[in-house]
Amino acid sequence: DGGITQSPKYLFRKEGQNVTLSCEQNLNHDAMYWYRQDPGQGLRLIYYSQIVNDFQKGDIAEGYSVSREKKESFPLTVTSAQKNPTAFYLCASSQGWLEQFFGPGTRLTVL
Amino acid sequence: AQTVTQSQPEMSVQEAETVTLSCTYDTSESDYYLFWYKQPPSRQMILVIRQEAYKQQNATENRFSVNFQKAAKSFSLKISDSQLGDAAMYFCAYRSAYGYGGSQGNLIFGKGTKLSVKP
Repeated sequence: DGGITQSPKYLFRKEGQNVTLSCEQNLNHDAMYWYRQDPGQGLRLIYYSQIVNDFQKGDIAEGYSVSREKKESFPLTVTSAQKNPTAFYLCASSQGWLEQFFGPGTRLTVL
Repeated sequence: AQTVTQSQPEMSVQEAETVTLSCTYDTSESDYYLFWYKQPPSRQMILVIRQEAYKQQNATENRFSVNFQKAAKSFSLKISDSQLGDAAMYFCAYRSAYGYGGSQGNLIFGKGTKLSVKP
C-alpha cells in the first residue's frame, strides 16, 4: 500500500537535545512538507521541499533543520535552539497541484 | 498574503442530521484550490473534498458537499446524515494555483472547527 510513514509515534526530548523525526513516503511524490500543530491552532508550515536536494523555509523554520537526500525521505531535526518544541508534527507529500497527503504524525514532548 | 478563517471553533450535530461548517478566505488571486481536511481523534489528516476555483459546480463526495461562493470568498462544508464517525476537527485550506515551486503553492490552513456528533 502506498502511503506516508512517520516515526516514532511518540518522542520525548530532554532540554538541550537535538532529535530527528522520520518521514518516508512511497507515493513517488516530488514535494514533501513538515507542519507543526499546536492546540487551538491550524497547521503551520516549518519546511518544504519540491525536489530532491532542495528545500525552503516555511513560516516557522527557526530552530528546525531538514535534509532531502532521497525522494522518499524528508527527516526533520528539532534542535536545541527551538524554544518550545512540544507539539504534534505532521509530514505530508504531494505531486503537482494535487492535494497533500499526510502521515500519522509524531507527538514530541520536552521533559 | 492569503488568509483562511473558520469562525466556528466548535459545532455540534445530532446523528442523522445535517450540519454546515463555515470557511471564508481572503485572496486577490482568481485561480486557486480549496480543501476540507478531517482530523479524527487518531490525528491522521484525511482529505474530505477539493474544489477548483475555476469550476462553478460545487464539489460533492457522498455525504459531503460544499457551497462555494467565489465572489463572497466563502467555502462551507455540508455534512448530511451525520454519523458518529464524522466527529473530528475539520480544517479548511487554500492553495494558490500560481507559483508552484515556490511558497505560493503551499497550503494555508484555518484554525479548525471541532465537530461533535450526538447519538
